[in-house]
Amino acid sequence: AQSVTQPDIHITVSEGASLELRCNYSYGATPYLFWYVQSPGQGLQLLLKYFSGDTLVQGIKGFEAEFKRSQSSFNLRKPSVHWSDAAEYFCAVAAGGSDSWGKLQFGAGTQVVVTP
Amino acid sequence: GAGVSQSPSNKVTEKGKDVELRCDPISGHTALYWYRQSLGQGLEFLIYFQGNSAPDKSGLPSDRFSAERTGGSVSTLTIQRTQQEDSAVYLCASSSGLAGNEQYFGPGTRLTVT
Repeated sequence: AQSVTQPDIHITVSEGASLELRCNYSYGATPYLFWYVQSPGQGLQLLLKYFSGDTLVQGIKGFEAEFKRSQSSFNLRKPSVHWSDAAEYFCAVAAGGSDSWGKLQFGAGTQVVVTP
Repeated sequence: GAGVSQSPSNKVTEKGKDVELRCDPISGHTALYWYRQSLGQGLEFLIYFQGNSAPDKSGLPSDRFSAERTGGSVSTLTIQRTQQEDSAVYLCASSSGLAGNEQYFGPGTRLTVT
């Protein structure tokens, strides 16, 4: 069965520092991969997605992620964090295939705290 | 344009009562999804509607949960005989249904079962 693991439950980072959030997946084929962000009191917003092609994908708000097949990873990065990046971040995988490719399986989430 | 809307935003109910949660997807979106977000279980898929196809109900936790989508638009998630473990935020999302297209999430309905 497919799974998504976010090893870090909580990360504290200083404003202006770099950020990397880890995501590992288990899936038989190349999955569709996503990163979502959930700010306090807000709904989930898509940051970026990977389906195929260039393994380094750019997203909104200055985020990027790199797909590494050999490591089954899809880590999210941002070079310089802003206070507004404090939120919970979710990695997700979609089943793929024509029947229910859109069904997302989410990781447990990583809470990011930004300090001055 | 308008995003995904959900109602009510908050619902408090007594154990054993039935509840209905509503989702209005983005106009024109053929795919609609329900997820549940709770402290103990994180974000879980519940059910998925795509056009006129039979829904994927594989995530519904028990037969007390059901959902329908009328006219390919509005969806209602019904929980019968609510239990305390049903307390969670219920999220609805919609997408164009094409492979790879973004799911747009609503703000959720916070359900509290007392």
